[in-house]
Parts: sequence; C-alpha cells; structure tokens
Amino acid sequence: KQEVTQIPAALSVPEGENLVLNCSFTDSAIYNLQWFRQDPGKGLTSLLLIQSSQREQTSGRLNASLDKSSGRSTLYIAASQPGDSATYLCAVSHSGPDSNYQLIWGAGTKLIIKP
Amino acid sequence: DTEVTQTPKHLVMGMTNKKSLKCEQHMGHRAMYWYKQKAKKPPELMFVYSYEKLSINESVPSRFSPECPNSSLLNLHLHALQPEDSALYLCASSPYKGGNTEAFFGQGTRLTVV
Repeated sequence: KQEVTQIPAALSVPEGENLVLNCSFTDSAIYNLQWFRQDPGKGLTSLLLIQSSQREQTSGRLNASLDKSSGRSTLYIAASQPGDSATYLCAVSHSGPDSNYQLIWGAGTKLIIKP
Repeated sequence: DTEVTQTPKHLVMGMTNKKSLKCEQHMGHRAMYWYKQKAKKPPELMFVYSYEKLSINESVPSRFSPECPNSSLLNLHLHALQPEDSALYLCASSPYKGGNTEAFFGQGTRLTVV
C-alpha cells in the first residue's frame, strides 16, 4: 500500500532564504507526483506536476525534483517571501490498472516565512 | 481558463435539511472528483467520475449522493447530515485523456452542519 510522508510537518524561516520541502513515498511505481499549495480555509493550487519519466520541473522560483528509485521528491523554493506562507502538500498518482489515477496524499508541511 | 468553480463558498445546514454543492469546469476535463477535508488533514477522496460515469465511491455514506449531469458539471447532494460531516468539500478535475491526471481544484465549500 502506497504511503506518502512529508517531513517536517512545520517549518519557519526568515524571508529571503532558500528552502527545501521533502516528500517521500514507499512504492516507486508511481504515475506522477504533484505539489500543491493550500492557504488556510482555501482550495488547493497546483504548483508543479512531475511525470514518472521526468527528473525535475521548474516554475518561477519553484523547482521540484523526483527520484523514483529512492522514493523521494523535493520542492525547492528560492528567495522565500512572506506570501509563500501556506501548507504545501505532495500527492502521488499511483500507476496500475486498478488505480484509476487516484491521488495518495502526504500530510503536508506548514511553511511560515517571517518578514 | 484553468478554473474549477464551486458554489456556494459557505453553507450552514441543519441535520434535517437537503442541500446541494455545485462544481463546474470548462477545461474539457473528463474526470471530476469530490474530496472532503477536515482541518489540518489532507483531502480524502469521496467520489470519482470519469466520462460522466461514477468510477469510484470510497465507501461514502448514502447521505452524500453525487451526480454528474454533463461533462462540465458535478453536484453533491446532501441529506440528513451529521455534525461530524462539517468540513471543507473540494471539487477537482483532471484531463484524464492521454493519461493526463494533473488535478485542478476549486476553492471549496465550507460546510457546517448544526
């Protein structure tokens, strides 16, 4: 059974720092991995999607990497800003004929950027 | 247009009420999802529709009844809910075609059952 873990559960850093959020998964047979951002009480915003055949994806100050063999993904945020404060969740789409592309979620990392 | 629109944003209902949540997308996506999210927890999948057919029901109580009238609309009918059903209800869609499963979420409906 696929399990997705995000460590740490919470992270507080000063503005301007570069930071890395971690996501690990137990079954490497994934179809893709997606990173989301969620502001309190709001919906989820898709940040980056990495297909299983890809190693990384970039969007602006964000860079996500994927290492299937080790079951790990990282989300790198450059030059952090207070507006980056949110909960970041990763989710894997599990390959296989019965998966129906369901998302398996990590519990999220709550990020606080201090001005 | 990369939006998934959910209405209403907030809903308060009594345990004997019947209400409906609505979700709409105009991206041509062929898979639509309902999720339930409790505070400080990740979303929990409730239902999946692919090509307007219910493909997954994650053992959700019958007081929740999904409906997909067409490829752009998804409803969740609510009846005789319990206070523990209070949560953020999220709708999502994904292209599904060609194996594209990137999920796009709406802003959610905050449901309170009194």
